[in-house]
Amino acid sequence: GQSLEQPSEVTAVEGAIVQINCTYQTSGFYGLSWYQQHDGGAPTFLSYNALDGLEETGRFSSFLSRSDSYGYLLLQELQMKDSASYFCAVIGNTGKLIFGQGTTLQVKP
Amino acid sequence: DTGVSQNPRHKITKRGQNVTFRCDPISEHNRLYWYRQTLGQGPEFLTYFQNEAQLEKSRLLSDRFSAERPKGSFSTLEIQRTEQGDSAMYLCASSPPGEIFEAFFGQGTRLTVV
Repeated sequence: GQSLEQPSEVTAVEGAIVQINCTYQTSGFYGLSWYQQHDGGAPTFLSYNALDGLEETGRFSSFLSRSDSYGYLLLQELQMKDSASYFCAVIGNTGKLIFGQGTTLQVKP
Repeated sequence: DTGVSQNPRHKITKRGQNVTFRCDPISEHNRLYWYRQTLGQGPEFLTYFQNEAQLEKSRLLSDRFSAERPKGSFSTLEIQRTEQGDSAMYLCASSPPGEIFEAFFGQGTRLTVV
């Protein structure tokens, strides 16, 4: 089977840096993706890692360590609009995309 | 391209009734997923298709749920004999060929069973 763990809530102040961790267990592994979902909205894709290391996309970066079954999403220069839920998702050997329970990020002024 | 389209956006039904939702993926996207999401939870995998083939269905899903994707284009999700526990947001997502990590989601269909 597949399972993912991430913190349920994170709080940070505007302008700060926050890291959202994700650990996973899966049968086979193709990569780890990250999605953002605002209240009332649909999940939107942020980034993915298929290989170990850091991927940077603007203020957002994502990291993967396949040997540790661990990844994180790093958000820099936090803005109020970054308040949302963030989900990690894995694709295992069955080819389906499985999501974690999500981390609610609250950005305070 | 208008993105993934789901209809209806909202559905209120009485317990025991059947409901059907439709999803129109982005053109040329060969993968199509159905998820269910309740408040404060992540999207829960229901089933997915590659073209017209249904590759996997969640073991958590009862036989009351069925999905089709005739001709590999739009998809329908039917729930028979609805129960109050079926109340949730039903999300559809699609991915283009070769892009298995990036799924494009529709706005969802919110089902309320009364």
